[in-house]
Amino acid sequence: DVKVTQSSRYLVKRTGEKVFLECVQDMDHENMFWYRQDPGLGLRLIYFSYDVKMKEKGDIPEGYSVSREKKERFSLILESASTNQTSMYLCASSFVEDINEQFFGPGTRLTVL
Amino acid sequence: AQSVSQHNHHVILSEAASLELGCNYSYGGTVNLFWYVQYPGQHLQLLLKYFSGDPLVKGIKGFEAEFIKSKFSFNLRKPSVQWSDTAEYFCAVILLSGGYQKVTFGTGTKLQVIP
Repeated sequence: DVKVTQSSRYLVKRTGEKVFLECVQDMDHENMFWYRQDPGLGLRLIYFSYDVKMKEKGDIPEGYSVSREKKERFSLILESASTNQTSMYLCASSFVEDINEQFFGPGTRLTVL
Repeated sequence: AQSVSQHNHHVILSEAASLELGCNYSYGGTVNLFWYVQYPGQHLQLLLKYFSGDPLVKGIKGFEAEFIKSKFSFNLRKPSVQWSDTAEYFCAVILLSGGYQKVTFGTGTKLQVIP
């Protein structure tokens, strides 16, 4: 069974804080993704990575950065959190030859006060 | 730019009613199509997928979807819904173009099934 885990289910931070969201997968997947999920907007891709130290911007990368130092771990960084980054953040992973089937983590609900 | 439209944002049905959720995409090239489901409090999981071949695809829990290329549509159907189908459903499209793959999700449809 593929397992994608995220470091926190709920997180509350203050405006201006630096925030780290961690994601780990145990299936040796090359691809990893970060999305944010907002009511009425669905899932929007923030960043994805197809290999260690490689990253590509998604549709809404502004205000975010990512780090992939190890194959199994993909971190999302909010350099200076703002209230409009309050959202549900979802991590996903897939094999590079099968980007088609992504496996999702449980999500981190981040609230920025 | 590639886009995916789910026109029904919130659907309420009684148990045993038939379900059809619409999904339309904007790109005319080669695509792979998916429906994901998110049950309350759970993470997203794949319901079904279409890559090629028979345009009528069967997924888990009695769901099916039909790819109609001429209409750029991939609608999800179930003949008789159950209370346990209450969830949010997302259509997703992966655009395949010269080795480049880009995934786009729709905005989701919340289905509420009343016992």
